[in-house]
This record gives sequence, structure tokens and C-alpha cells, in this order.
Amino acid sequence: QKEVEQNSGPLSVPEGAIASLNCTYSDRGSQSFFWYRQYSGKSPELIMSIYSNGDKEDGRFTAQLNKASQYVSLLIRDSQPSDSATYLCAVSGGSYIPTFGRGTSLIVHP
Amino acid sequence: SQTIHQWPATLVQPVGSPLSLECTVEGTSNPNLYWYRQAAGRGLQLLFYSVGIGQISSEVPQNLSASRPQDRQFILSSKKLLLSDSGFYLCAQISVGSTDTQYFGPGTRLTVL
Repeated sequence: QKEVEQNSGPLSVPEGAIASLNCTYSDRGSQSFFWYRQYSGKSPELIMSIYSNGDKEDGRFTAQLNKASQYVSLLIRDSQPSDSATYLCAVSGGSYIPTFGRGTSLIVHP
Repeated sequence: SQTIHQWPATLVQPVGSPLSLECTVEGTSNPNLYWYRQAAGRGLQLLFYSVGIGQISSEVPQNLSASRPQDRQFILSSKKLLLSDSGFYLCAQISVGSTDTQYFGPGTRLTVL
């Protein structure tokens, strides 16, 4: 059974701070890793994808992957109230059936 | 770029009534298509996926069914809805051959009363 674990939160950070979201996965054969943002009542929106060990930066977002530790994280710099949402981690092993975590709720307070 | 359409956006149905939700995809051909359900406060539950016309795989046994009559059309159906069928239904697609990135449609919010 492939599993993706996330802390459900909520993670509360002040505006301007760095939010750190974490995800662990069980399948060592996983090849692709994704972070989605889901606002309340809306569908998930892809914000980052990462395929190799290390860091990948896109604007205020940085995804970090450590395959040896089976760990992927998302850092959000200069957090804004508009970043308040649920963040879903998804992992794929090339079978085109991603496994999703249950999501971490992020609250950025002014 | 690909676009996923879902309708209706919202639906309120009585227990025991039938259901038909439609998903269509533009901008890609031969996509893998998926139906997910997200119950209130819960994670994504994969219901069905399809790798081609007429090919449906069911992940969870229940009173729902899916069909893929055309390459870019995916339909979720039920003959008799249960209260537990309430939720947010999401259609998703992966364009096989590029990356295995999954994109979601806008969703249908179903309330069964």
C-alpha cells in the first residue's frame, strides 16, 4: 500500500514568515513529486513539481526532495494571507496513478 | 494547454435519484482521465481511472460507475444516490507522453438530501 503522509495542521504563520510544509512517502520507487494548493471550495491547483534530489525554486516557492529519506517539502517565503489554503502532496511512481496525502492546512495571519 | 470542463458545477439531488456528471478535456489527445471524490474535510479518494475509450478501472467498489464514450469525455453515473455520495467530485487528466503531471477540473459539488 503506497502511502503519503502529511501533518494535517493547521500550520499558522505570521505574514512575511517562511512556511514549511512536509511530506513523507512509503514507495521507494516514486519518481515524481507534486505540490498542489487547494483553496476552500475549489479544485487543487498545481504549484510545484520536482523529479530529482535537491531544491527547485519558483518565485516564492521552493520544493525540496530527499529520496534517500523519502521526504519532500515545500517552503513558502514571504508568506501572504492569500497563501492560506490546504497544500496537497502527491507522489507518482510512473504508473500514472498519483498517491495523494490528506493535505496540510496553512493559515497566514496578518 | 489543456482545459478540463465539468458540469454541472453544483447539484442537489434526493436520495435514490440517478446521477450523471460529465467531464470533457480540450487541448490534448488520448489523456488518462480520473474521477476523484473529496468528502468534507477529507482527502482525495480515487474512484475511477481510464487509459482509453471504453477502458475503465474501478478503485473503490460502490454504487457509482464510469464510462468513457469518447477520447476526451468521461462520465460518472449512479442509478440510485446514497447520502454518503455527497461530496466534491473532481475530474483530472494526465497527458501521457510528457510528464505525469495531473491537472484537475473545476469540480462538481454534489449534495444528496
